[in-house]
Amino acid sequence: GQQVQQSPASLVLQEGENAELQCNFSTSLNSMQWFYQRPGGSLVSLFYNPSGTKHSGRLTSTTVIKERRSSLHISSSQTTDSGTYLCALERGGNKVVFGTGTRLQVLP
Amino acid sequence: GGIITQTPKFLIGQEGQKLTLKCQQNFNHDTMYWYRQDSGKGLRLIYYSITENDLQKGDLSEGYDASREKKSSFSLTVTSAQKNEMAVFLCASSINIQDTQYFGPGTRLLVL
Repeated sequence: GQQVQQSPASLVLQEGENAELQCNFSTSLNSMQWFYQRPGGSLVSLFYNPSGTKHSGRLTSTTVIKERRSSLHISSSQTTDSGTYLCALERGGNKVVFGTGTRLQVLP
Repeated sequence: GGIITQTPKFLIGQEGQKLTLKCQQNFNHDTMYWYRQDSGKGLRLIYYSITENDLQKGDLSEGYDASREKKSSFSLTVTSAQKNEMAVFLCASSINIQDTQYFGPGTRLLVL
């Protein structure tokens, strides 16, 4: 089964609204990473977040390993935030597993 | 900063054909990866390499070969392309297996 579950699968917001993206995993991990992918574009790393909370501009990532979850919060969303957000976990044994992604669309 | 270059950007092949994708990085990273991205399935790891001449199989290695002759380059070969196959192949690199991965722009494959 899917080891990394992301929710929601898709999300539509009005510009200015906040977004909360969730990543839940069914296996132990060493670290968690969040990526952003613009339609047709390459992946950009947003956060490398093994645990705790990290901030970058309007983005906040929180990873709670013992609860096997990580979240990505986007405040005051903008149309340029539209795209796919992927979480990936790094397990022991040198394995990286990606979630299926959340497709975000921010309307003007 | 550095950059990851993938060639070609688009690849159209015939069923049964052997197809090779190339990836170059100038980060001086030790570890490189090849992922396949299909719609609705996230990214799946095909092969990765911890250092020059090293190869490790990922979850999706069957049907693929890889080669890491130099630290800066990592190539992937589709041994026999499947008809109607359509996917994006992403190359990435990182300092080591537990560090941030940086991705290239991808190669889009279509098999007729």
